[in-house]
Amino acid sequence: NAGVTQTPKFRVLKTGQSMTLLCAQDMNHEYMYWYRQDPGMGLRLIHYSVGEGTTAKGEVPDGYNVSRLKKQNFLLGLESAAPSQTSVYFCASSFEGGYNEQFFGPGTRLTVL
Amino acid sequence: SQQGEEDPQALSIQEGENATMNCSYKTSINNLQWYRQNSGRGLVHLILIRSNEREKHSGRLRVTLDTSKKSSSLLITASRAADTASYFCATPTGANSKLTFGKGITLSVRP
Repeated sequence: NAGVTQTPKFRVLKTGQSMTLLCAQDMNHEYMYWYRQDPGMGLRLIHYSVGEGTTAKGEVPDGYNVSRLKKQNFLLGLESAAPSQTSVYFCASSFEGGYNEQFFGPGTRLTVL
Repeated sequence: SQQGEEDPQALSIQEGENATMNCSYKTSINNLQWYRQNSGRGLVHLILIRSNEREKHSGRLRVTLDTSKKSSSLLITASRAADTASYFCATPTGANSKLTFGKGITLSVRP
């Protein structure tokens, strides 16, 4: 089992460019999450999904969109990147939401110039 | 508002010593979880303690939960240099559909 994988691992964008981060899990988990981690800010939830075809806003959703067309994949899109979106992005999944553990991907380090 | 808050923010100890980290939260919870993050890596789940449990062990880890004080502690016994990492507590929110993480504790274990 690969667990949770994220692509790409690193990316540099110019302000205004767009990109999509891909998260994939092979554990048949219903719940998937996108977080961003910034120094001194801890882990902040961007968007999440409670099942295929569903999405919901987290704590910091502005500037991001997500899609969950397949149960195993959760995509995070930046339509027009801004320097404030420079961060490390983590995807996670869990079987039963907050009732049990989350499994995290290795992260994507994004720099927006 | 932050649900889980860890204390202290940073901790530096000698190898072989015990490390104690605390987490406080605000509202009633179903469970509380602790995670570790090594530098540059994703978070790894360490232990989950349910609201009807008071203490749980996993190897060198001991977690306690006091629901009356809305607090939890993580004890790492006989610490090793490899325990150097950031540690986060997390509690379920949003009708138990998601977790809210604290800002983390940076633990440094000196060889």
